[in-house]
Amino acid sequence: DTEVTQTPKHLVMGMTNKKSLKCEQHMGHRAMYWYKQKAKKPPELMFVYSYEKLSINESVPSRFSPECPNSSLLNLHLHALQPEDSALYLCASSQDSTGRNQPQHFGDGTRLSIL
Amino acid sequence: GEDVEQSLFLSVREGDSSVINCTYTDSSSTYLYWYKQEPGAGLQLLTYIFSNMDMKQDQRLTVLLNKKDKHLSLRIADTQTGDSAIYFCADIMEYGNKLVFGAGTILRVKS
Repeated sequence: DTEVTQTPKHLVMGMTNKKSLKCEQHMGHRAMYWYKQKAKKPPELMFVYSYEKLSINESVPSRFSPECPNSSLLNLHLHALQPEDSALYLCASSQDSTGRNQPQHFGDGTRLSIL
Repeated sequence: GEDVEQSLFLSVREGDSSVINCTYTDSSSTYLYWYKQEPGAGLQLLTYIFSNMDMKQDQRLTVLLNKKDKHLSLRIADTQTGDSAIYFCADIMEYGNKLVFGAGTILRVKS
């Protein structure tokens, strides 16, 4: 069982909908990440939060809006998505993001389909 | 920028050993990771190796690192059907703790 919990597991939404993906960890980690993964491809980093502050945005379109309400929670707000945004969205966490050995632990992801 | 490459597909018989290879370009790499992804699941951290090590063994898994050639391998002994998955090697960039993944190797285990 993963120690990073993501909800929902599956989400189908229309291009005009607004929805949110949620991620939770209780390992005391202070860095959290959002990745996007297309089928049979490696994950691509979207955002990094370190100590609840956004530290990296990999030029992600503004229709994706991350939020870190506290050190255990990470949200990804979705609005006006495009069909090409259909993918598996993975959340990960690590002790922090200051280098050295900080292995990232992943959740099982939310499979998102845009109609 | 940093690049990580892997062979894309490996097929083995149950009980045989599997060896998955990976090359990377960043000579300042400190830690290298192996992740496993089963169908419909997230990434499971299998093991990692520090760059001053040549080898690390963890039960059926052996990681070999040739830092001079920037070559990393994962050996799975006595491969089982449950080992069928995609295996990603990943390098870490210190800035932002960004993982750079290889394309992934699909391991198929035939019974």
